[in-house]
Amino acid sequence: QVQLQESGPGLLKPSETLSLTCTVSGGSMRSYYWSWLRQTPGQGLEWIGDISFGGRTNYNPSLKSRVAISVDMSKTLLTLRLSSVTAADTALYYCARNEGDGDYFEYWGQGTLVTVSS
Amino acid sequence: DIVMTQSPDSLAVSLGERATINCKSSQSVLYNSNNKNYLAWYQQKPGQPPKLLIYWASIRESGVPARFSGSGSGTDFTLTISSLQAEDVAVYYCQQYFNTPLAFGPGTRVEIK
Repeated sequence: QVQLQESGPGLLKPSETLSLTCTVSGGSMRSYYWSWLRQTPGQGLEWIGDISFGGRTNYNPSLKSRVAISVDMSKTLLTLRLSSVTAADTALYYCARNEGDGDYFEYWGQGTLVTVSS
Repeated sequence: DIVMTQSPDSLAVSLGERATINCKSSQSVLYNSNNKNYLAWYQQKPGQPPKLLIYWASIRESGVPARFSGSGSGTDFTLTISSLQAEDVAVYYCQQYFNTPLAFGPGTRVEIK
């Protein structure tokens, strides 16, 4: 059974860089794309971007200038970096696995809450 | 970008009755070459991540009760709960994966009347 677990700092100040990791267990990271998503009461569910096992990335244009997603297959780690955060980046952040035949999500982490406040 | 909308925002249904949720995409998510609709449905309960219910618009995920069904094509889709159970109280989201950026609808809250 594939399991994903997000981790990272829960509180950031405006202008800082958010860095989150997602540990994948119970399955290989190869042959899949892996996504970061976030959820806020106001904006709902938002796809941030994804990365293939080979390192190919796709980003949401709304965040593209500030986002970097990377993957370390040997450590089964997925990483999200979001620069110059503001209060609008306060959200519950999820990692998830894109299914092999389409970019829908069967496996999700439990999510990690990130608050941006001075 | 494809924009997803849902209706209603919320609905209250009696136990055992039918619940119907609508989802509309701003452009077709039907890929003509394979005749597949790139549309998924999720259920989210408080404190939990979304749970995949339906993919390819109408294929039920393994383990999902048969009372959940998805239908529609092109730009208009429906999630139906044929006989609402207490454990179905949740927020339901549709998601298009026809192209990037992947996008979700705003959600429909289902409650017991």
